[in-house]
Amino acid sequence: GAGVSQTPSNKVTEKGKYVELRCDPISGHTALYWYRQSLGQGPEFLIYFQGTGAADDSGLPNDRFFAVRPEGSVSTLKIQRTERGDSAVYLCASSFNGREQETQYFGPGTRLLVL
Amino acid sequence: GESVGLHLPTLSVQEGDNSIINCAYSNSASDYFIWYKQESGKGPQFIIDIRSNMDKRQGQRVTVLLNKTVKHLSLQIAATQPGDSAVYFCAERSNDYKLSFGAGTTVTVRA
Repeated sequence: GAGVSQTPSNKVTEKGKYVELRCDPISGHTALYWYRQSLGQGPEFLIYFQGTGAADDSGLPNDRFFAVRPEGSVSTLKIQRTERGDSAVYLCASSFNGREQETQYFGPGTRLLVL
Repeated sequence: GESVGLHLPTLSVQEGDNSIINCAYSNSASDYFIWYKQESGKGPQFIIDIRSNMDKRQGQRVTVLLNKTVKHLSLQIAATQPGDSAVYFCAERSNDYKLSFGAGTTVTVRA
């Protein structure tokens, strides 16, 4: 596609529920990143995929968060037993092959609200 | 951890004037920097980047300056337009692949 796409654009759920957020990176990009952005703050790194494997998941806050990228393209961020503190904008980015000095292009984000 | 910070949280500028947005970083190992623009309800949009072996880079109406001695980065926008109103973030990459962002500067363009 022309850019990174994310679905849904908005998600409202209740505390304790399970949610899945989807990211479709730029075609041909092997590197994919998830970030989380709280209100008034800059994005914070969650996880980085190189191909199908998670090369760095050091930013995931706890074991309720999990992400997959089974075919090396689309990725899904999964949050179990959601808490009100999980409310944020979840951003996905991709880059060509994950080299250090390489631009990351962001999608529009999914706005998650946990009631 | 180390973070990227911005000197001013808000900047108000008259339409047609030049804007300067500043950013201080603390990780001397960072070798790549990016400026992003984020409009309300949208994801960060790439503006311009610079590698640590450079001190200046120009794009269309934008210039990024890097001063490694004092760990300072700035974004200059020429002839600021209403469409430039947004939050601007600087981001750095060091030895790993993740970007570290500051809190952002909100730019408001006055007509």
